[in-house]
Amino acid sequence: AQKITQTQPGMFVQEKEAVTLDCTYDTSDPSYGLFWYKQPSSGEMIFLIYQGSYDQQNATEGRYSLNFQKARKSANLVISASQLGDSAMYFCAMRGRNSGYSTLTFGKGTMLLVSP
Amino acid sequence: EAGVTQFPSHSVIEKGQTVTLRCDPISGHDNLYWYRRVMGKEIKFLLHFVKESKQDESGMPNNRFLAERTGGTYSTLKVQPAELEDSGVYFCASSQGGRRWDSYEQYFGPGTRLTVT
Repeated sequence: AQKITQTQPGMFVQEKEAVTLDCTYDTSDPSYGLFWYKQPSSGEMIFLIYQGSYDQQNATEGRYSLNFQKARKSANLVISASQLGDSAMYFCAMRGRNSGYSTLTFGKGTMLLVSP
Repeated sequence: EAGVTQFPSHSVIEKGQTVTLRCDPISGHDNLYWYRRVMGKEIKFLLHFVKESKQDESGMPNNRFLAERTGGTYSTLKVQPAELEDSGVYFCASSQGGRRWDSYEQYFGPGTRLTVT
């Protein structure tokens, strides 16, 4: 079984500052993928970034980077230079080869509020 | 290209009634998924279609839920009869097939917020 834990129900950050959203996971799969999604108030889920368990380098996508520490089973999302439009719910998710590659397991999410 | 669309965006029904949710995936996406988020809990997988076939329906909560995907295009999720605990947001997602198994993105729709009173 897989489990994603997001311990921060809410985070506050000032515009232009960096923020780290925590995500830890548990899985028995030897191979897996980790994802972050953003859900703004409009409701749609927007894919942000992906990290494969065997990828040697941490993933980066523009202002988003994933701080992947495999031994600690953590996959924190770092948003640099926060913008007001970053205010949203953020979900960490994973997919494991042996647990049904088709399905994503999600955490409960972290609500990020960016203030001016 | 058009994204995943879902209809309706909101639905309020009474316990015991029937509701049908619809999802139109991105054109050309063989994979279609249904997820549900009950208030305050994680988003949970319901089922996965590959074209018109059910690949995995292990997440369907009970036989009051029926999902179909006609001709491998749009999908419907029917709840009959609805119970109070069915309230939540139902998400649909789609993805391409044939790519590296662990990295292909699932594109989500905006969800349908279902309230059973």
